[in-house]
Amino acid sequence: QQQVKQSPQSLIVQKGGISIINCAYENTAFDYFPWYQQFPGKGPALLIAIRPDVSEKKEGRFTISFNKSAKQFSLHIMDSQPGDSATYFCAASKRRGGKLIFGQGTELSVKP
Amino acid sequence: EAGVAQSPRYKIIEKRQSVAFWCNPISGHATLYWYQQILGQGPKLLIQFQNNGVVDDSQLPKDRFSAERLKGVDSTLKIQPAKLEDSAVYLCASSSLSGRPYEQYFGPGTRLTVT
Repeated sequence: QQQVKQSPQSLIVQKGGISIINCAYENTAFDYFPWYQQFPGKGPALLIAIRPDVSEKKEGRFTISFNKSAKQFSLHIMDSQPGDSATYFCAASKRRGGKLIFGQGTELSVKP
Repeated sequence: EAGVAQSPRYKIIEKRQSVAFWCNPISGHATLYWYQQILGQGPKLLIQFQNNGVVDDSQLPKDRFSAERLKGVDSTLKIQPAKLEDSAVYLCASSSLSGRPYEQYFGPGTRLTVT
């Protein structure tokens, strides 16, 4: 199976709060699990990524948690800011140079 | 470095007409991708080139869509004839063979409306 399922579809968080977005996959052959951020009128941009042999990766306020046995991973945005308001996509990739299989996206709105 | 360039940014056509989109990837990037992003969904790969060869076109509707990447640099995606369900943003992305394997650089996209 090539699908990546993402939830929730939309999320509203107060400034300073924690935003959590979840994804699930079926194909255990995926090698990488990146997250992309997309602002209106722009193309997606890489935010952070993790490999399946790592349980957690943190970069600044952004953390990916990975549960290999459950085939699930999530993005946590700590101390969420209005500037984080964007659409977030989880994705999966099989190999170097391989295509990205995107989730459906989560529209995050951080209220001041 | 300059990013991925796409044109036009917006296009409105009637069904059964044809349309073409252009992409100029980041200099030196061997791999070029065309994605279709329907409103409210994640991007879906249409075709992937490495240099001027096709790597994956399994999800390209070949009866109406075509793409080429002459000389391994610029690329053009064409739709002929267009259908209402082709209304979407068409994203071009590129990546380097020596970069992070999951990192693709996206252009701003072309928003196509078919009426």
